[in-house]
Amino acid sequence: QKEVEQDPGPLSVPEGAIVSLNCTYSNSAFQYFMWYRQYSRKGPELLMYTYSSGNKEDGRFTAQVDKSSKYISLFIRDSQPSDSATYLCAMSTDSSASKIIFGSGTRLSIRP
Amino acid sequence: DAGITQSPRHKVTETGTPVTLRCHQTENHRYMYWYRQDPGHGLRLIHYSYGVKDTDKGEVSDGYSVSRSKTEDFLLTLESATSSQTSVYFCAISESPGQSNQPQHFGDGTRLSIL
Repeated sequence: QKEVEQDPGPLSVPEGAIVSLNCTYSNSAFQYFMWYRQYSRKGPELLMYTYSSGNKEDGRFTAQVDKSSKYISLFIRDSQPSDSATYLCAMSTDSSASKIIFGSGTRLSIRP
Repeated sequence: DAGITQSPRHKVTETGTPVTLRCHQTENHRYMYWYRQDPGHGLRLIHYSYGVKDTDKGEVSDGYSVSRSKTEDFLLTLESATSSQTSVYFCAISESPGQSNQPQHFGDGTRLSIL
C-alpha cells in the first residue's frame, strides 16, 4: 500500500464549477501537507502549505486537512480553464523538504 | 520564475551508457534536489545537496550519483543507464530545508529515454 493515495483522474468539470481534489494517507505521523499544481511539460509549483489539521484559504483555493480520517482536500472555487493542470498532494513528517512524500497527481480539465 | 535551468531538456540514449544531467541555478540557494517523476508514482527524491560538496541520498538513490562543486550547479549521473531509469527528472532548489515560507522551486524537467 502506498503511503499517499490520489485518484489519477482525469477529472473534467465545466468552467465556474467547484472542484474537489482529495488524497488519503496511511502514516499518522504526517504533519505537513501541501498541494502543488503542475502544468503540462512544466515543473510543479507550490499552491498551498498547511501544518496539522484545519483549513487554509488563499483566494479561490481552500485546503482542508482531517488528520483523524487521514484525508486532505483541495477545493477550487469558480474554476477557470487556466486551472487545467495536474494537482499533486504531498506530505511529510517534519518540515524538511527532503522528507516529502508526493501523491501521483490528479489531472484536472476545466471546460470553457 | 526562479532561475533554474535543466539541461538537456530531452535525451535518448542506450542501455549501459553513462548519462549526466545538469541543473543550474542563478538564485544562490543552498539546497538543491533531484527528483524523478513516473506515472503512478508521483515525484520521488533521488539525491539532494545542502551545500557545496555536501550531498545525501533520497528515497530512490540506487544507480545514481550526484556532485556539487559549485553553489549554482548540481549534476546527476547515471553511471550505466538502464531502461528502468527512463523518466522525467526534475531539479528543485530552496533557500532553507523547510517548506513553510521558503518552498522548493522546480525546473521544467529533463525527459530521459533509455532504449
